[in-house]
Amino acid sequence: DTEVTQTPKHLVMGMTNKKSLKCEQHMGHRAMYWYKQKAKKPPELMFVYSYEKLSINESVPSRFSPECPNSSLLNLHLHALQPEDSALYLCASTRQGLVRNTEAFFGQGTRLTVV
Amino acid sequence: KNEVEQSPQNLTAQEGEFITINCSYSVGISALHWLQQHPGGGIVSLFMLSSGKKKHGRLIATINIQEKHSSLHITASHPRDSAVYICAVLNYGGSQGNLIFGKGTKLSVKP
Repeated sequence: DTEVTQTPKHLVMGMTNKKSLKCEQHMGHRAMYWYKQKAKKPPELMFVYSYEKLSINESVPSRFSPECPNSSLLNLHLHALQPEDSALYLCASTRQGLVRNTEAFFGQGTRLTVV
Repeated sequence: KNEVEQSPQNLTAQEGEFITINCSYSVGISALHWLQQHPGGGIVSLFMLSSGKKKHGRLIATINIQEKHSSLHITASHPRDSAVYICAVLNYGGSQGNLIFGKGTKLSVKP
């Protein structure tokens, strides 16, 4: 199994809603990443979890709250989002963090629309 | 100047044509990824290179570390190859690196 699975594929939420994005991998990878991608732009790193601990937070607003309950699962909790947060949210995983020659595996993404 | 530059930004080809997409980078790297993204979709890793050349089916990727340049070639292109191709480099050094992405090349292959 070389897949990173993200759910849901699409999400529409109001600015007062609370929702969560989910990312799962069963490759035994110990680093997992959240990226945000706006239309026609490259992905931007949001968070990195390494061995279930948050190791990088790229100054992301607190309305985005990551969680890594175990080594296979990564969540992104969303609350009080703004319309400009509408984007494709991508999850990725690597064996042990992006060290030396490490291949990254990406999920299909969740297309989020905030109304 | 971006740390990872791709060219061209947009590319339209006829089915069957040989296609080349270029990537130049200005930082020290330990590896370079070529990624494919279909419209509205997730990202698929095509190649990870740290030296030389790799081939997978009709896709060939090369890298010249001294010149800080990589190319992705598609032979006998097909409409299903239409996608955005992204070059991403793994910045050298540190225990927790990050991928630096190029802006992507949008490829459209016409039948």
